[in-house]
Amino acid sequence: NAGVTQTPKFQVLKTGQSMTLQCAQDMNHNSMYWYRQDPGMGLRLIYYSASEGTTDKGEVPNGYNVSRLNKREFSLRLESAAPSQTSVYFCAASAGGGVVEETQYFGPGTRLLVL
Amino acid sequence: AQTVTQSQPEMSVQEAETVTLSCTYDTSESDYYLFWYKQPPSRQMILVIRQEAYKQQNATENRFSVNFQKAAKSFSLKISDSQLGDAAMYFCAYRVNTGTASKLTFGTGTRLQVTL
Repeated sequence: NAGVTQTPKFQVLKTGQSMTLQCAQDMNHNSMYWYRQDPGMGLRLIYYSASEGTTDKGEVPNGYNVSRLNKREFSLRLESAAPSQTSVYFCAASAGGGVVEETQYFGPGTRLLVL
Repeated sequence: AQTVTQSQPEMSVQEAETVTLSCTYDTSESDYYLFWYKQPPSRQMILVIRQEAYKQQNATENRFSVNFQKAAKSFSLKISDSQLGDAAMYFCAYRVNTGTASKLTFGTGTRLQVTL
């Protein structure tokens, strides 16, 4: 039982390049999330998906798109990478669906460097 | 908008001693949850402890306990009998119970060093 997995672990991009960060969970959870972590700023929510087929913007969505491919997978796409998007990206999953005492479980993170 | 404040960027504790990490939050909601996450050098985010706002009793998980003061909007983490493996970044997080996706708001973190 792997929990939440992310690929790749590390990526270097040039400004203007595009890429997709992949996230998958095997916990049968309904809700999934993408965060970014920058030094001194904690984690900030980029996008989330409350359930399969729905996505919503979080606190810092500009420059990103997401796809909830199915219940297991939630991808984050950078169409034209910028140096300001250099960060560590975390995917998370939670039971969702109105479960009261739900907790978010995080993947190991993807470190992205945009030159 | 909800905000979470961790006013201690760094803390240090000797092995076997006790340390308390501070967290305050701002919200107008009455039904919410608070969390402490640990992030070791591996960067993995690990849930340490959770507190439901409607519960008066402070949560406890082995050596970790919280002091939840709802009126003061304070949620501190106490680590007893500190171990070298406790060295990490600790993040306080807040979540309002909307009944749908649980969006978390994080503080900026406290780096805990554990010395011999």
